[in-house]
Amino acid sequence: DTEVTQTPKHLVMGMTNKKSLKCEQHMGHRAMYWYKQKAKKPPELMFVYSYEKLSINESVPSRFSPECPNSSLLNLHLHALQPEDSALYLCASSQPTDTQYFGPGTRLTVL
Amino acid sequence: QKEVEQNSGPLSVPEGAIASLNCTYSDRVSQSFFWYRQYSGKSPELIMSIYSNGDKEDGRFTAQLNKASQYVSLLIRDSQPSDSATYLCAVRKAAGNKLTFGGGTRVLVKP
Repeated sequence: DTEVTQTPKHLVMGMTNKKSLKCEQHMGHRAMYWYKQKAKKPPELMFVYSYEKLSINESVPSRFSPECPNSSLLNLHLHALQPEDSALYLCASSQPTDTQYFGPGTRLTVL
Repeated sequence: QKEVEQNSGPLSVPEGAIASLNCTYSDRVSQSFFWYRQYSGKSPELIMSIYSNGDKEDGRFTAQLNKASQYVSLLIRDSQPSDSATYLCAVRKAAGNKLTFGGGTRVLVKP
């Protein structure tokens, strides 16, 4: 089973809202990732958690706040986003330094 | 020079023909190489991983790696309209979890 699940599939939020994206995997992977993908561009790494600890933050603005409550779950908390933050947000998981498997993504629209 | 480069396409291929996709990378310490397929509006799906020089075949797909030339390719044999998608090349260095993606090659298979 190589399934990574993400909720919600679609999210529309205003610039003053607070929302969260959720990601879950049950493959026993110990590394989890958040990517942002704009149209016609490749995925852009935002954060990496390895063994539930934040190991990479690609200089992401503080309006994006990641959280890894346990080895199966990854959240991305959103606050005071801008319209340019509208994108497909992808979660991925892997064993550390192994193949990454992507979830279906959350399509985020910021109004 | 970008770390991972791909021709953006579109690569137009008749149904039943071979599609040949190329990817070059700049960092010689790169160790792991991946091809992902991404349909419009969907998330990336792993097609192949390759770690050693030479060819690796999986069904209609063959990945080829030449570390001396810093080059990895993907061949799609007997191309089908369902192969129409963007193909992303991704590279990982020896240490760490970070994948670097190329810009993707859009493939169009015409019936």
